Amino acid sequence: AQTVTQSQPEMSVQEAETVTLSCTYDTSESDYYLFWYKQPPSRQMILVIRQEAYKQQNATENRFSVNFQKAAKSFSLKISDSQLGDAAMYFCAYGGPQGAQKLVFGQGTRLTINP
Amino acid sequence: NAGVTQTPKFQVLKTGQSMTLQCAQDMNHNSMYWYRQDPGMGLRLIYYSASEGTTDKGEVPNGYNVSRLNKREFSLRLESAAPSQTSVYFCASRRDSPNYGYTFGSGTRLTVV
Repeated sequence: AQTVTQSQPEMSVQEAETVTLSCTYDTSESDYYLFWYKQPPSRQMILVIRQEAYKQQNATENRFSVNFQKAAKSFSLKISDSQLGDAAMYFCAYGGPQGAQKLVFGQGTRLTINP
Repeated sequence: NAGVTQTPKFQVLKTGQSMTLQCAQDMNHNSMYWYRQDPGMGLRLIYYSASEGTTDKGEVPNGYNVSRLNKREFSLRLESAAPSQTSVYFCASRRDSPNYGYTFGSGTRLTVV
C-alpha cells in the first residue's frame, strides 16, 4: 500500500521569506500523481499544486513550486515571498494511476507566518 | 456556486445514537469519497464510490455505512456512534480525468459524547 510521510509537524517562516515543506512517499507504481493541499482555519481543502509523475518538469503555480525527485520519492513544496494568508495546514497527497484514484494523505504540516 | 455540499456542518451525538451525513455535488462527477480527519493523522479514506451504484471500503470503514443514492448524492451513516468516531468528516468528488484532483466539501465536525 502507498504511504505518504510529512516529517515536519510544524514550520514557521518570516513574512516575505521562502519556506520549503517536505514530503516523501512510497509506491511501486511508475505512473501516479502528487498533490499539495492547503487547509486554512476555515477547514476548506484547497488544491495548491499537482504534479504528474511522468513529467520531469517541476510544477509551478505563482509563488508555489515543487521539487519532484522521482527516484528519491520526494515531493517538497516551496513557498516564495510568504504572505500572512499562507498560514494553514498543508497536506501532501498521492494518487494512483487508475480506478477511483483514492488519495492517500500525509499527516500534515502546520505553517505559521511571522509578521 | 458549483461544488460539494455537506450537511450538517456541526453535530453532537450521544454514544449509541445514529445519524447520516449528507453530501451532494453538482459537477457531474462519477467518483465520490468520504474521509475523516484526525489530529496528526491527516485524512483517511472511509468509503468511496467510483460510480453510481458502486461503493467500496477504504482504510477505516468499521462503524460506517454508505449509500450512493444517485450520481449527485453520497451519504455516510453511523449506526451506533462511538467516541472514537469524533472527527471532522469530509466528502469529496473527482472528475474522471486525474489531473484535477478532488473537490472537497466544507466538512462536518462531529463530536460523540
